[in-house]
Amino acid sequence: NAGVTQTPKFRILKIGQSMTLQCTQDMNHNYMYWYRQDPGMGLKLIYYSVGAGITDKGEVPNGYNVSRSTTEDFPLRLELAAPSQTSVYFCASSYWGANEKLFFGSGTQLSVL
Amino acid sequence: GENVEQHPSTLSVQEGDSAVIKCTYSDSASNYFPWYKQELGKRPQLIIDIRSNVGEKKDQRIAVTLNKTAKHFSLHITETQPEDSAVYFCAATLEYGNKLVFGAGTILRVKS
Repeated sequence: NAGVTQTPKFRILKIGQSMTLQCTQDMNHNYMYWYRQDPGMGLKLIYYSVGAGITDKGEVPNGYNVSRSTTEDFPLRLELAAPSQTSVYFCASSYWGANEKLFFGSGTQLSVL
Repeated sequence: GENVEQHPSTLSVQEGDSAVIKCTYSDSASNYFPWYKQELGKRPQLIIDIRSNVGEKKDQRIAVTLNKTAKHFSLHITETQPEDSAVYFCAATLEYGNKLVFGAGTILRVKS
């Protein structure tokens, strides 16, 4: 099993550009999460999904959008990228929710210049 | 607001000594408290967790304690080794288990 796969691994954006961070999991997990990790900081929840078609905001949702059309995929969209969005983005998944182990992807390092 | 506070932010210990990291949480409905370890450039990995109906849990050299009344929980690492050097994050669930909120992390350095 591949687990949780994120693409791309690295990306440099110019201010105002848009992009989509891809996340897919092959474990048939219901719950999926997007976190950002700023340098030297903890993980902040951006958005999460409890199943296909259902998404909700986390702690820091501004500037981002998500969709969950399938169980496997949970893309994160950045519109009008800003330097404050420079961060490492982690996607994670679990079967029953946050009350169990989260499986993390390897992360996407994004720089907005 | 709903948050998890973690102390200390950095911790240096001599190899073989013990390390203790403490966290407090604000949501009295939180019922699951995991600890994740993140090595440099890697993804977070779960090392131990505890649920609200348990006061203490051990797994070899690591243990976690929970005080629900005081809303705090702690990670204890005994006989530290250089490979224990990493960033450790505590976390707590919110909104009936739908969300997991992390502390700011503790950089643990084990000096040999």
